[in-house]
Amino acid sequence: AQSVAQPEDQVNVAEGNPLTVKCTYSVSGNPYLFWYVQYPNRGLQFLLKYITGDNLVKGSYGFEAEFNKSQTSFHLKKPSALVSDSALYFCAVRAMNRDDKIIFGKGTRLHILP
Amino acid sequence: SQTIHQWPATLVQPVGSPLSLECTVEGTSNPNLYWYRQAAGRGLQLLFYSVGIGQISSEVPQNLSASRPQDRQFILSSKKLLLSDSGFYLCAWGPGLANEQYFGPGTRLTVT
Repeated sequence: AQSVAQPEDQVNVAEGNPLTVKCTYSVSGNPYLFWYVQYPNRGLQFLLKYITGDNLVKGSYGFEAEFNKSQTSFHLKKPSALVSDSALYFCAVRAMNRDDKIIFGKGTRLHILP
Repeated sequence: SQTIHQWPATLVQPVGSPLSLECTVEGTSNPNLYWYRQAAGRGLQLLFYSVGIGQISSEVPQNLSASRPQDRQFILSSKKLLLSDSGFYLCAWGPGLANEQYFGPGTRLTVT
């Protein structure tokens, strides 16, 4: 069965510091991996995805994520946090089969402190 | 470009009343369509998904149903709402297996 874990309910980072939001996954075979962001009372917005190729994926708003197959992780990173990055972040995984469903993590709330 | 619409944005309904939430997608054809519920601003629960007209897969047995009468229209319904149906309902579309999903703005449903 597919699963994705975001071990931190909340992450606090000072503005200007680097940030990391953690994600680990479990799938049979190779994964498709995604990160989404949600601002209050809004739908989710797609940030980036890993399908194949380079392990470091760059996405919107200066975010990037690193795929680590041996550790089954896909952590979201940004070199310098902005207060406007404060939001709820979701990691998601889909296995490379005929299943059309994406499995979402429970979300990590990111607080950027001014 | 593709856009996804949901309405209404907010809804307050009494227990036992019916429900109909609509989602439409523009700018694409034969999308995969999804209904999610988000409780307390947290995790997403997949309710239904559809890979084509008239094809509905249900993930969680409950008080809700879904229909896809047209290629780019996805409707979430209930005959009698329960208090536990309150939440933030999100519609999403995706172009295929390897692709990300794009979400609508959501409908906040409060059952009183």
